[in-house]
Amino acid sequence: EVQLLESGGGLVQPGGSLRLSCAASGFTLSSYAMSWVRQAPGSGLEWVSSVTGSGSSSFYADSVKGRFTISRDSSKNTLFLQMNSLRVEDTAVYYCANHVVTARETYWYFDLWGRGTLVTVSS
Amino acid sequence: EIVMTQSPATLPVSPGERAILSCRASQGISSNLAWHQQKPGQAPRLLIYGASTRATGIPARFSGSGSGTEFTLTISSLQSEDFAIYYCQQYYNWPRTFGLGTKVEIK
Repeated sequence: EVQLLESGGGLVQPGGSLRLSCAASGFTLSSYAMSWVRQAPGSGLEWVSSVTGSGSSSFYADSVKGRFTISRDSSKNTLFLQMNSLRVEDTAVYYCANHVVTARETYWYFDLWGRGTLVTVSS
Repeated sequence: EIVMTQSPATLPVSPGERAILSCRASQGISSNLAWHQQKPGQAPRLLIYGASTRATGIPARFSGSGSGTEFTLTISSLQSEDFAIYYCQQYYNWPRTFGLGTKVEIK
């Protein structure tokens, strides 16, 4: 079965760090562009970060730029989000999602979504 | 940043009726628009991409239309499983942005 499974969420104090993981099964993660999207409690969806299929380029929302880093480990078929200097407003469910990549282009709609992992930033 | 505006915020619909959801982009995005469905406690699910192409496994009662700045998602005959929140999302420019969503609820 093709799926994405996030992990690594939890309770962290403001200023702390957390690393989220997104394990892919049923497909090779390095063949896809990947993204993180978050959803604060009772709110809508907010794009956080993306990385191209080649891994050569990454993109960040202004709200997380300089604090979050997206990366992946092809040997583990896993995507990561390193989150530093966490703030209360980073509290959200974090989803990973993939994007179809062909020889011609990357299709940047969010295709397959994971189930999400909850990050709570609170003292 | 491209702002996506969805209307209405809430749409009461009776089962079997048609629902029409709107999404407007603050600038032209060609057909680089997707629709996602989210049910309570669940992850979003891709319904439509390229403004009008149904994703794999999506029933034919879901259809999308529009280009440029005005887009529509139509659910031709609402089933019980369709009551959910629907988000539009542009992928024309960075940052990728979503609308605030339209909640389709039972009338």
